[in-house]
Amino acid sequence: EPEVTQTPSHQVTQMGQEVILRCVPISNHLYFYWYRQILGQKVEFLVSFYNNEISEKSEIFDDQFSVERPDGSNFTLKIRSTKLEDSAMYFCASSEAWQASSYEQYFGPGTRLTVT
Amino acid sequence: AQSVSQHNHHVILSEAASLELGCNYSYGGTVNLFWYVQYPGQHLQLLLKYFSGDPLVKGIKGFEAEFIKSKFSFNLRKPSVQWSDTAEYFCAVNKTGTASKLTFGTGTRLQVTL
Repeated sequence: EPEVTQTPSHQVTQMGQEVILRCVPISNHLYFYWYRQILGQKVEFLVSFYNNEISEKSEIFDDQFSVERPDGSNFTLKIRSTKLEDSAMYFCASSEAWQASSYEQYFGPGTRLTVT
Repeated sequence: AQSVSQHNHHVILSEAASLELGCNYSYGGTVNLFWYVQYPGQHLQLLLKYFSGDPLVKGIKGFEAEFIKSKFSFNLRKPSVQWSDTAEYFCAVNKTGTASKLTFGTGTRLQVTL
């Protein structure tokens, strides 16, 4: 069964450093998402992406964050200057299409980001 | 703004007991409704979903949920839990007819004892 993959599984970085989290969505999917889950809190939406542009973003997704689909298969989340409060599990998800019969979002296993 | 409430934060049940996890949502429109499960060390997996039609939906592993529009609820049920159902369960909603962002509840940790 096709699945969303994410790398790395765990990333440790120092405050102020840039990190790039990588995701490979399911191949025929067109909509891509990033969510995060701070330890002990709910899963929160960050951003959605379609047709090479952001379609929706949350208040969390400020200028420190950016997303890109550099090569038609990877979908990346960049945090330019990490803060301690960016420590969280980051989930990538993908969905087949906006008006498909199924609106299910398929989630990857997550990247645990630890900012020290 | 959308919001989802899961009232049970931690539930402990013995094997073969019946399960019901509450989920209430707030949204100014019609919604798609989902239950996701996260087994220890694994990623979020879809248990079941409601888009339209029969408000009683059946999912994988014997789970079902009932959408009660008048109560803005989508409670998850299973008649007889197994030890392997130990996991965290998340209710989520998004705007009906779309694949827009999901709004999640805080999750319910289910622990099934032998």
